[in-house]
Amino acid sequence: DTGVSQNPRHKITKRGQNVTFRCDPISEHNRLYWYRQTLGQGPEFLTYFQNEAQLEKSRLLSDRFSAERPKGSFSTLEIQRTEQGDSAMYLCASRPTGVWTETQYFGPGTRLLVL
Amino acid sequence: AQRVTQPEKLLSVFKGAPVELKCNYSYSGSPELFWYVQYSRQRLQLLLRHISRESIKGFTADLNKGETSFHLKKPFAQEEDSAMYYCALSSSGGSYIPTFGRGTSLIVHP
Repeated sequence: DTGVSQNPRHKITKRGQNVTFRCDPISEHNRLYWYRQTLGQGPEFLTYFQNEAQLEKSRLLSDRFSAERPKGSFSTLEIQRTEQGDSAMYLCASRPTGVWTETQYFGPGTRLLVL
Repeated sequence: AQRVTQPEKLLSVFKGAPVELKCNYSYSGSPELFWYVQYSRQRLQLLLRHISRESIKGFTADLNKGETSFHLKKPFAQEEDSAMYYCALSSSGGSYIPTFGRGTSLIVHP
């Protein structure tokens, strides 16, 4: 499967714990995006990378959230001191740059439940 | 600020009936509009985008700048069209950071 992959697919944690998610984009895609999706809502943008550079962050990305893409390939999203409100589906997407290639390819998501 | 409104959470039709999923947007610049679809147990995927002016799986969508709408239409719904549909907007050019609507669940009954 050459699509975007995310691990783990599900994560249950207790409030206050730290969690880390991984996203492996399609190999030639230099842009990588993170979204959060809560029940009954569409995906909400969190942050995006071009290669290893984090170019934009949403206001939704509080200080407890940090994302990295150290080598411009896979990315990690860490949530520190999780809260129940962090329970959501976390989606990763990648796309190549180019004027007409606006298509994003989404991963299957990581579903987080904070107890 | 850019916003996408999908007024219907659920749309239920019978097979063969016409379908229109509504999408309205607010954006001060020149937008790029998209429809994404998520079938059961599958990942979110692009259905169509307004710049391509294409018909995918019988669906079409026309950007109406006067009414700030980008409704998705299909003349004859099929059971396999049952899915979640998300309308999305991004600024033209640049970083391409889409804003999604909350989605409309389409159910096509046999």
